[in-house]
Amino acid sequence: LAKTTQPISMDSYEGQEVNITCSHNNIATNDYITWYQQFPSQGPRFIIQGYKTKVTNEVASLFIPADRKSSTLSLPRVSLSDTAVYYCLVGVPSNDYKLSFGAGTTVTVRA
Amino acid sequence: SAVISQKPSRDICQRGTSLTIQCQVDSQVTMMFWYRQQPGQSLTLIATANQGSEATYESGFVIDKFPISRPNLTFSTLTVSNMSPEDSSIYLCSVEDGARGTQYFGPGTRLLVL
Repeated sequence: LAKTTQPISMDSYEGQEVNITCSHNNIATNDYITWYQQFPSQGPRFIIQGYKTKVTNEVASLFIPADRKSSTLSLPRVSLSDTAVYYCLVGVPSNDYKLSFGAGTTVTVRA
Repeated sequence: SAVISQKPSRDICQRGTSLTIQCQVDSQVTMMFWYRQQPGQSLTLIATANQGSEATYESGFVIDKFPISRPNLTFSTLTVSNMSPEDSSIYLCSVEDGARGTQYFGPGTRLLVL
């Protein structure tokens, strides 16, 4: 599984856009990039997944450059309830479904 | 999406005892997973439990310490045996999301060993 590097923490204010960049220099051809969100006292929750270019859903956008060695999760107009730990994972979907979680990024949204 | 429940949600146990954690999912799934999340840390996979076969343990985890049962396609248990304070963690179960190759997680069981 490709190793990922993310910032340990990020602070933001309500209404701002939060961008979290994940480095994955050793990403393999068949690997996808998946982001999870974990609120305190809860299990992680799938946010978004992508392979290349841009993916957008109702929660976030995922930007992946052509070389795929990094990716950026973008959270638009955050609110206090977006305070959570965000994990970037890289791997082949359905490859035994095994997930390898790194340290994650703690995002704190302030009023 | 799958709905997963875990019992107990939290417990305080004495060292040397064992605790069995239950994981129930609202649909039939082939693969279930057990993770440990120590205080302030990320998640670590303990084992993968497929129905009808022995669980597969990750490096650093052994069956004698963390026996797992998988009697059917909607249920699994993880036992933390002969507990010590170092076993104090959150234990989470998850199931595969076949459509995306990702996982749905339960709410976790918060364990404190004194």
